[in-house]
Amino acid sequence: AQSVTQLGSHVSVSEGALVLLRCNYSSSVPPYLFWYVQYPNQGLQLLLKYTSAATLVKGINGFEAEFKKSETSFHLTKPSAHMSDAAEYFCALTSGNTDKLIFGTGTRLQVFP
Amino acid sequence: KAGVTQTPRYLIKTRGQQVTLSCSPISGHRSVSWYQQTPGQGLQFLFEYFSETQRNKGNFPGRFSGRQFSNSRSEMNVSTLELGDSALYLCASSQNTGLNGYTFGSGTRLTVV
Repeated sequence: AQSVTQLGSHVSVSEGALVLLRCNYSSSVPPYLFWYVQYPNQGLQLLLKYTSAATLVKGINGFEAEFKKSETSFHLTKPSAHMSDAAEYFCALTSGNTDKLIFGTGTRLQVFP
Repeated sequence: KAGVTQTPRYLIKTRGQQVTLSCSPISGHRSVSWYQQTPGQGLQFLFEYFSETQRNKGNFPGRFSGRQFSNSRSEMNVSTLELGDSALYLCASSQNTGLNGYTFGSGTRLTVV
């Protein structure tokens, strides 16, 4: 069975600090991995995706993630946090067998001035 | 290019009633998926439609149903509403497959009283 685990339901950083949001996955087939962001009272916006090409993936708003098969991880990073990054972030996976997305439980990012 | 449009944005219904939610995908997108988001269960897949056919289905009771029309617009219906059906219902669309990521709408917030 496929699953996604996001370590840390809440992460707090100072503006300008490094952002690191952790995601580990379990999948018996090669996964397609995604990071989505959700602002209050909004839907989900795709930040970036891993689809078996380059293992270091760059997304929007300065975010990037690295796929590490040996660690079954897909952590999201941003070198310097901005106040506007405060939101909830979801890691998700799917596979070639089905297009259904399996989501992690989400990480709420707070950015302090 | 218009995004994914969900109507209505907010809805209040009474237990036992039924409700229909609507989703208009991005023009040219033929796949439409529905997700339920609650604080307790997180984001859960309901079903996916492609070219008017249900392609995948999640683990929800038969009270939850959906359909897709020839113009790719989709509706989901929940009959005999229960308090636990209160949630944000998100619709997502993609061209053919979700392997490159879905575009989500802003959701319909359903409150059952």
